[in-house]
Amino acid sequence: AAGVIQSPRHLIKEKRETATLKCYPIPRHDTVYWYQQGPGQDPQFLISFYEKMQSDKGSIPDRFSAQQFSDYHSELNMSSLELGDSALYFCASSLRGRGDTQYFGPGTRLTVL
Amino acid sequence: SQKIEQNSEALNIQEGKTATLTCNYTNYSPAYLQWYRQDPGRGPVFLLLIRENEKEKRKERLKVTFDTTLKQSLFHITASQPADSATYLCAPRPTSGTYKYIFGTGTRLKVLA
Repeated sequence: AAGVIQSPRHLIKEKRETATLKCYPIPRHDTVYWYQQGPGQDPQFLISFYEKMQSDKGSIPDRFSAQQFSDYHSELNMSSLELGDSALYFCASSLRGRGDTQYFGPGTRLTVL
Repeated sequence: SQKIEQNSEALNIQEGKTATLTCNYTNYSPAYLQWYRQDPGRGPVFLLLIRENEKEKRKERLKVTFDTTLKQSLFHITASQPADSATYLCAPRPTSGTYKYIFGTGTRLKVLA
């Protein structure tokens, strides 16, 4: 079965640079979620989209933005990167009305030097 | 503020025994509560979902209970195996009007052979 695809899997950036993370949800899933997970921490909800509209917002910094496109893939744009942004970034997708079970991607490991 | 607490200490149990993990929440009444398994460096994997009107849910060797009076969910793994060693996260959905899940800090389970 198709799973959530994230790219790139690893990304190394310098401070103050910009990064774009991509997420391709499971086909026919209408909701995408973004999470940030620091070392030894639980996943922190950043933002979610339902049918290409922002649905819920969590602890997403103002330097970050995200959107969901017409083909349902989503991108997380991160600007003015800081050392503290180094983390695993997970994307998850779900089908609303099916218990909202979230299926997570493999994650993108971002390292900011 | 909304808060979720899981056993912060790692849980070590002997193979074949039942592991019981606890998830306590305060300051809200979740409509759903999900349990996930996470292996190091990988995305969480959905295990079970229980609704507020359900007391118990089972899936193979897994059992989840949901006590809305105690504001607690228990996650049991019976006949535990070394392959069950992982971090287990609970994630309540705060209300029926939001699709933002809050993850607990997770409990690291180690099953000893």
